[in-house]
Amino acid sequence: QVTLRESGPALVKPTQTLTLTCTFSGFSLSTNAMSMSWIRQPPGKALEWLAHIDWDDNTYYSTSLKTRLTISKDTSKNQVVLKMTNMDPVDTGTYYCARAVAGRKIDYWGQGTLVTVSS
Amino acid sequence: DIQMTQSPSSVSASVGDRVTITCRASQAISSYLAWFQQKPGKAPKLLIYGASSLQSGVPSRFSGSGYGTDFTLTISSLQPEDFASYYCQQVNSFPYTFGQGTKLEIK
Repeated sequence: QVTLRESGPALVKPTQTLTLTCTFSGFSLSTNAMSMSWIRQPPGKALEWLAHIDWDDNTYYSTSLKTRLTISKDTSKNQVVLKMTNMDPVDTGTYYCARAVAGRKIDYWGQGTLVTVSS
Repeated sequence: DIQMTQSPSSVSASVGDRVTITCRASQAISSYLAWFQQKPGKAPKLLIYGASSLQSGVPSRFSGSGYGTDFTLTISSLQPEDFASYYCQQVNSFPYTFGQGTKLEIK
């Protein structure tokens, strides 16, 4: 079955770079039409889409965050990595990775990982 | 970017009620709209994709409709487990964007 799990630091300091890893099983990101997205949610607030990577390495980013984000994949390890630079307290929230089929059907989500930005 | 506007932002209803949530896109998105349900402390769950296709395993009391800019999610007869937050998301073009959410509460 399909599973996804996010991992990374629970606490980062302002100005630091956040690196999150999504480790998945049950499918391959080298398969045509498979892709992955990262989405976040500040406490008590709405979902915010961040970034997306396709099976063929096309990448897409949030307009407001694109200068700070990098998404990449390691197909051999079944992992997708999100890097976010210059972290700020407003970036505090739960970060999710999610699978997308044909780029448009986001059908499986990880459990999310809470990241707090504080000095 | 395409802006997604949901209404209402919150709604109170009773078990057995019929509830409709609307989502409007700032520009036409064909039928590239999804609906998610989220319960506190949990990841979102896909309910509807392609505006009206029911995700496998989702009860048939959930239905979606719409095309272009205006979409609706309808729950035909509310069950206790349906009290949650609901989000629409456009997947027509990048960057994908979510609505601000609708919280469905027990009356």
